[in-house]
Amino acid sequence: GAGVSQSPSNKVTEKGKDVELRCDPISGHTALYWYRQSLGQGLEFLIYFQGNSAPDKSGLPSDRFSAERTGGSVSTLTIQRTQQEDSAVYLCASRPLARYEQYFGPGTRLTVT
Amino acid sequence: GENVEQHPSTLSVQEGDSAVIKCTYSDSASNYFPWYKQELGKRPQLIIDIRSNVGEKKDQRIAVTLNKTAKHFSLHITETQPEDSAVYFCAALRTDSWGKLQFGAGTQVVVTP
Repeated sequence: GAGVSQSPSNKVTEKGKDVELRCDPISGHTALYWYRQSLGQGLEFLIYFQGNSAPDKSGLPSDRFSAERTGGSVSTLTIQRTQQEDSAVYLCASRPLARYEQYFGPGTRLTVT
Repeated sequence: GENVEQHPSTLSVQEGDSAVIKCTYSDSASNYFPWYKQELGKRPQLIIDIRSNVGEKKDQRIAVTLNKTAKHFSLHITETQPEDSAVYFCAALRTDSWGKLQFGAGTQVVVTP
């Protein structure tokens, strides 16, 4: 079946602009995660959605970052007033109910100029 | 919170030799340990995982071992091939919280023909 998809695949924006990144999880997966991967670095957790529960926002680096998940499916990560240090690949992952494995999307490469 | 350390950061092996990557974790309640492979420019892909009630798991040329007492786990790749070249990430999760995976920093594996 279809895997996790993300859009856009690449985004170049000017410092100070807002950006929205989209994630479409695997159908039926109840949990959704956002991670950030800076060049040559590991995966940094940002936020986690599980069903209708309040999201775990403990990884968001600043209040410029926010995310929502509508209808328990698609999620949007918003970065306001982008800074150059926000440049990274933003990865989304989803997980089915009662299982541990996370499946990753291809990522969105964000470049802030 | 959980902290996962991964070594080495880079590993060069001759084709046909074995590769071993080691991770240690800090939270003794962690009980799920996946390994992800990320090829250049691609998404991380789950290659093998182990739960804390098992000491070893094998899947063809890859195997994972877990030492709960010492809080470390390792990935073993035998008979390495050029297509094994990638960055490998270990991770740990405590399933009672269904929370975020804590990733290691990654190991760049280069298999030379």
